[in-house]
Amino acid sequence: DQQVKQNSPSLSVQEGRISILNCDYTNSMFDYFLWYKKYPAEGPTFLISISSIKDKNEDGRFTVFLNKSAKHLSLHIVPSQPGDSAVYFCAASVPGTYKYIFGTGTRLKVLA
Amino acid sequence: NAGVTQTPKFQVLKTGQSMTLQCAQDMNHNSMYWYRQDPGMGLRLIYYSASEGTTDKGEVPNGYNVSRLNKREFSLRLESAAPSQTSVYFCASSRQGDTEAFFGQGTRLTVV
Repeated sequence: DQQVKQNSPSLSVQEGRISILNCDYTNSMFDYFLWYKKYPAEGPTFLISISSIKDKNEDGRFTVFLNKSAKHLSLHIVPSQPGDSAVYFCAASVPGTYKYIFGTGTRLKVLA
Repeated sequence: NAGVTQTPKFQVLKTGQSMTLQCAQDMNHNSMYWYRQDPGMGLRLIYYSASEGTTDKGEVPNGYNVSRLNKREFSLRLESAAPSQTSVYFCASSRQGDTEAFFGQGTRLTVV
């Protein structure tokens, strides 16, 4: 039972354009959401997060949107750069348990 | 500041052999985690330790044991390795489950 889902395994975007990565979840109790970026042969690195009490969080080129009623979050990267090419994971925190549940990841390729 | 350090980086085991994956963090974090990454499956939580002295099962605990040796160290043991345990293993730590987790570089394990 996949509680956090990333339905697009891959995405290709032209340099300078917007990248939109999507994530759906099933557990309405999740209270904290995170996005991680992963390059080959490296561990995932934290990118941006959002609390369930907010609907938007912005950090430079990266913005995360949360739609609680739809149980959906998205990561926008504007403008996309070739160095953004990586696998992106969304994750959700289970309140009171101190654990994170990850999605299956989306491979983003930014074309120069 | 090393962050999260995992050893070894690579390992090949024969079916039935045992081994322990080591993880240490120097960020004074309370919570530590073990994940495995498999193609198309994303990051799946094996075990976690919310705080020193506690451990709990994650999504895929079968075939594994863990020890939270102290606040810094969290080890993962495979008692009798199976080919299905061929994977990349990541250790992570966080201050608490409501903040971002920091990951190690990973251990690539092959069981033949």
